[in-house]
Order: sequence, then structure tokens, then C-alpha cells
Amino acid sequence: DTAVSQTPKYLVTQMGNDKSIKCEQNLGHDTMYWYKQDSKKFLKIMFSYNNKELIINETVPNRFSPKSPDKAHLNLHINSLELGDSAVYFCASSLTWVRSEQYFGPGTRLTVT
Amino acid sequence: AQSVTQLDSHVSVSEGTPVLLRCNYSSSYSPSLFWYVQHPNKGLQLLLKYTSAATLVKGINGFEAEFKKSETSFHLTKPSAHMSDAAEYFCVVSGAQAGTALIFGKGTTLSVSS
Repeated sequence: DTAVSQTPKYLVTQMGNDKSIKCEQNLGHDTMYWYKQDSKKFLKIMFSYNNKELIINETVPNRFSPKSPDKAHLNLHINSLELGDSAVYFCASSLTWVRSEQYFGPGTRLTVT
Repeated sequence: AQSVTQLDSHVSVSEGTPVLLRCNYSSSYSPSLFWYVQHPNKGLQLLLKYTSAATLVKGINGFEAEFKKSETSFHLTKPSAHMSDAAEYFCVVSGAQAGTALIFGKGTTLSVSS
């Protein structure tokens, strides 16, 4: 069973479109995260939710909107996609929001043309 | 504020020789430290973690790391490299405060030649 899953794995779209990435974890964790990995493989936190409540909201354009319908799901919606949004997006989860190791999904490679 | 510096962007070793990936950290609190590995086109996998227990931490696949507070270091080692160890390795620090995000180093690419 996959612990943290993301869909889709690949996403190719044109500038200006709106797209969503879905994430689900079956680990029973309380906290979920979205990270962005750029072309140089640098990973940066975007958002974090704990028990469906937003706890980390880094400096991210407001075109990016996370949604957590329940503790096991954290989706990422992106409006008006731009070329610079092309990256790999990783979802992760952790047992708690205090010093816990995080478990990562396989990533979604977003390409904006 | 927390930060982490991986001292080498690329390390090349021969199969069967030791691996050393260097990491220094900065933290105003007692840190939790992690090493993650990312194989090509894959997600990140936790190798090991330090959370203020034993300073020598053993992880998966024969990797280990030693926490040295005096040197603010958390270097990753393995006695004998295997071809399957070729990957990107990230040193990660987490602050003690609740809700603090993980801070990732820029990564070290490990190449293993036969």
C-alpha cells in the first residue's frame, strides 16, 4: 500500500490554465505539507496543514491555494499557471507537527508551456 | 533561525569505498536533523534522524551519521558504497518550535563508479 500518494504524476498544461494536484496519505498522520522542488533540486516548503488547519503559509503567490477536506487529504490548486510554476511538487505527511520526520509522495512533475 | 549547509554539491566514489557526505547546521534551538535520499525521478526517502538521543545514528542501507554539537555537524557516512547508492542526498534541519518547517540543504549528488 502506498503511504503518501499523489495524482497526477505528470501534468503538462499551457500558461493561463488552472490545475489541481491531489494528495492522500494512509498513515493516520495529523500533518501534511506541500513542497516545491525547482530545476536545481532545491526543496522549499509551501504550505502545511495540521488536522485540516493551515499552520504554515510561506511566501507563495496567491494563485496557489491549498485545500484540506480531511486529515488524510491535502490538495493544491493553481490558478493562471505561469512558466515559472514548472517544477516538481511533493506532498508529505508527518505524525505530528513538532519535530517529526516527514514521509514524501512520489511527486508531480508540472510542466507549463 | 535554522539553516543547513551541505559542503559538497557532488561527491564521486568507487564501489566498495567509503562514503562521506558533509553537513553543517545552524540552529538557535536544539535541532532535529535528518538525512533524506532521492533516487532519480523518485520521491524522498528518510535515511535516518537525530532527535537528541544517541549522537551516533544508524539508518537504512548501512548509512549512519554522527551529531557533533561542538562542530555543528551531522555528516553522513557509509563504510562501503554500492552502485545503488547513487542518488541525491539532502541534509535537513527542523527547529524545536511546533509548526516549524523542515529546512533542506541544497543537496549532494553521489556518483558511484564500478
